[in-house]
Formats: sequence, structure tokens, C-alpha cells
Amino acid sequence: DTAVSQTPKYLVTQMGNDKSIKCEQNLGHDTMYWYKQDSKKFLKIMFSYNNKELIINETVPNRFSPKSPDKAHLNLHINSLELGDSAVYFCASSQSLGASDYNEQFFGPGTRLTVL
Amino acid sequence: GEDVEQSLFLSVREGDSSVINCTYTDSSSTYLYWYKQEPGAGLQLLTYIFSNMDMKQDQRLTVLLNKKDKHLSLRIADTQTGDSAIYFCASSEQHTGNQFYFGTGTSLTVIP
Repeated sequence: DTAVSQTPKYLVTQMGNDKSIKCEQNLGHDTMYWYKQDSKKFLKIMFSYNNKELIINETVPNRFSPKSPDKAHLNLHINSLELGDSAVYFCASSQSLGASDYNEQFFGPGTRLTVL
Repeated sequence: GEDVEQSLFLSVREGDSSVINCTYTDSSSTYLYWYKQEPGAGLQLLTYIFSNMDMKQDQRLTVLLNKKDKHLSLRIADTQTGDSAIYFCASSEQHTGNQFYFGTGTSLTVIP
């Protein structure tokens, strides 16, 4: 039933490790996103994929690599984790847009990453 | 890119009205949105307004848009404790509609 799901919900790991967060949407949307929310609750877009193609890549360290095996999935792989990567990561999806469509994004529940 | 700014905190008493304000910089913003984030959850769309409108009402929610001043507000009438959450203003532009700009978020606390 869940529209946008993420796994895991919590992830605690040591500095230097490599980890992945998975995201799936069953809404039939064409566009998926990854956001990072820091401890002050500021929300920053990291990546956006449309039909498995990268369309937005904000200034994010190249230790972060998104992978979209199909348009229903957008996974986030993080290499060599650092303390500053601790945050809540949100996946979202939306329908492709016409010229005058509003863009409702549907968010997953978030993955709380803690790097020790 | 667009800068979307909000005040960080707001406290109101239960039953009062809340007004959350937002300013943005990009005059080509086509749609403006209000999202609500409850503790431990993702964001959910509350309401949105098209840039050629100046007001939209939806039950207890009233959105006001001043396009000249690039100012958006969300008024919640008869605020309840369940309205305590973080409220994010966001904008998107017609031609790059997949690019979303979120504000800094306003944490609303409703005091019983």
C-alpha cells in the first residue's frame, strides 16, 4: 500500500564504511529525488532522476552515487562515510510535468543515518 | 537557483490563528506549495497555489500570494495541537518544474 518506501529506516555505521539506502515507489511516477535533511531540519535536494536519467545533481560529494535500475527505484550509495553525512535522507517521487502542471512530490518516511 | 526563506519558529495557543510566512526570489516561480512534516515522518503536501492567483482557501487553510513582493503566507485558523509540525514553503518553475526549491522550514508549536 505504501506509495514511497525506503529501507532501512535507521542506519548506524562507522566512519569509512560504504552503505546503501534503497527507495521504491509504486505510484507509476517518472521522476524520483533524494533529499538530505540536516539536524536543523534544512532540506536540500541532492539528485533527481527522470525515467532513469539523472537530471539534477546538486553540489554533492562524489562519494554519493545514485543508481536507478528502473523508474520505480532510486537507490543511494555512499562510499567512505563521514561524520558530516549523519542526517535524515528522504526519497521522493513525482509525475512528469506538462507545461502548466503543479508538481506534487510524494515523500518516503526517511532514513536516519548516524555515522559514528 | 531560487532562495526561499522562512522564519524558523512560531508558537501559538490552541484555538488561535497561525500565520507562517515565506519569501522567495525567483519571479518566474510558477507554483508555490506548502508542505507539512510531522515528527519522524516525511513531508506531505498541504496545499499549493498557482502564481496567477492571489488567494486560495481550503477549509482551515488560507494561502495568500503577493507576487509583487514575492511573499507567500499560510494561515491556519483555529490551530490545534495536531497542527504542531514543521511547515515548508516550496516553489517550482514552469520550465524546470522538476526542480523544487524548499524553504528553511518553520517549526510550529501549538500550546494547549
